[in-house]
Amino acid sequence: AQKVTQAQTEISVVEKEDVTLDCVYETRDTTYYLFWYKQPPSGELVFLIRRNSFDEQNEISGRYSWNFQKSTSSFNFTITASQVVDSAVYFCALSEANFGNEKLTFGTGTRLTIIP
Amino acid sequence: DGGITQSPKYLFRKEGQNVTLSCEQNLNHDAMYWYRQDPGQGLRLIYYSQIVNDFQKGDIAEGYSVSREKKESFPLTVTSAQKNPTAFYLCASSILSGGSGNIEQFFGPGTRLTVL
Repeated sequence: AQKVTQAQTEISVVEKEDVTLDCVYETRDTTYYLFWYKQPPSGELVFLIRRNSFDEQNEISGRYSWNFQKSTSSFNFTITASQVVDSAVYFCALSEANFGNEKLTFGTGTRLTIIP
Repeated sequence: DGGITQSPKYLFRKEGQNVTLSCEQNLNHDAMYWYRQDPGQGLRLIYYSQIVNDFQKGDIAEGYSVSREKKESFPLTVTSAQKNPTAFYLCASSILSGGSGNIEQFFGPGTRLTVL
């Protein structure tokens, strides 16, 4: 069975600080995808990134970066020079290559608060 | 504009009443999903559908029912059998990955249901 753990329930940092959100996953499959979503106060989930299990390259998008390490089953998300607009709940999710049973398993989320 | 609409945004119901939450998408996605979100528990899958006239139970289907008569629509009924229905409900859709696991889901704005 697949599982996603986000051990950090809430994090608060002062604006302009860097912050890392942790995500640890469990799966028996060798083929899978990992995702990060952002949920601002409005409630709608916004897709941030997708990474497949065969691509361990780190990715950077502006102030956002992701570190995928299969050896530790982790897919951590770092925000550099945080801004107040980054305040949100962030979810990590996992999907397995499972024809006919396609769904995501979400972690419990990390609530990030950026203090001005 | 392509996207997912959910209505109403806020819904109040009395105990013992059934209530139906609407979800419509114009993204031409085959798969649709319903999630329930409670504080500190992340997103839990209620039901999902990968094709018209077919759907599967998720992790917490008891007390809920769905239908998928049209590709664009996936309404969720919260029945009186659901013991604790007060929650935030999110609808999502995606293409089918054909077994690859690459299933980025697109989310609606959510419906907040409160039982009085």
